[in-house]
Amino acid sequence: EVQLVESGGGLVQPGRSLRLSCAASGFTFEDYAMHWVRLTPGKGLEWVSGITWNSGRTGYAESVKGRFTISRDNAKDSLFLQVNSLRVEDTALYYCAKVSMGTAGAFDIWGQGTMVLVSS
Amino acid sequence: EIMMTQSPATLSVSPGERATLSCRASQSVSSNLAWYQQKPGQAPRLLIFAASTRATGIPPRFSGSGSGTEFTLTISSLQPEDFAVYYCQQYNNWPQSFGQGTKLQIK
Repeated sequence: EVQLVESGGGLVQPGRSLRLSCAASGFTFEDYAMHWVRLTPGKGLEWVSGITWNSGRTGYAESVKGRFTISRDNAKDSLFLQVNSLRVEDTALYYCAKVSMGTAGAFDIWGQGTMVLVSS
Repeated sequence: EIMMTQSPATLSVSPGERATLSCRASQSVSSNLAWYQQKPGQAPRLLIFAASTRATGIPPRFSGSGSGTEFTLTISSLQPEDFAVYYCQQYNNWPQSFGQGTKLQIK
């Protein structure tokens, strides 16, 4: 079964950091670009970051650029998102998602998400 | 950054009727447009990619059309399980972007 499982979320104070993880199984992880998307009650879905299969290209939403870093470990079938300098507005459910075709495309597989709550 | 605008924000339709949802891009995204359905407590589900291709397992009552900047998702005969929030997404350019969503509710 193709599956993505996120972890690492939690309650943190503004300015602190977290490292989100996404464990992949059931497909050849190293063949696919991967992305992080977040869901907030007020704004809906927001694309956060993406990374190509070989980490050759990464991209970020303007709202997180300079604070978040995406990475992957193909040997461990894992995707990561280092989130620094957290703000209240970063509070969201964070999903990892797999693209439908190796290098680009829509997101055909999603995890169930990990919740990040930023509050003092 | 490409802005995606969905309309209407909320759509009230009776079961069995047709629903038409719109998505507009601030610049051309070619046909690199996807539609997702999301229900409370669930992850988004891919419905349509490449503007008009149904994803695996998606029933034929869902159809997508458009290219460039104007796109439409049509649900031909609404079933009870179709009432949800729908998002469009452009994956033509990075940063990628989603519309703000259309909530499809029972009339």
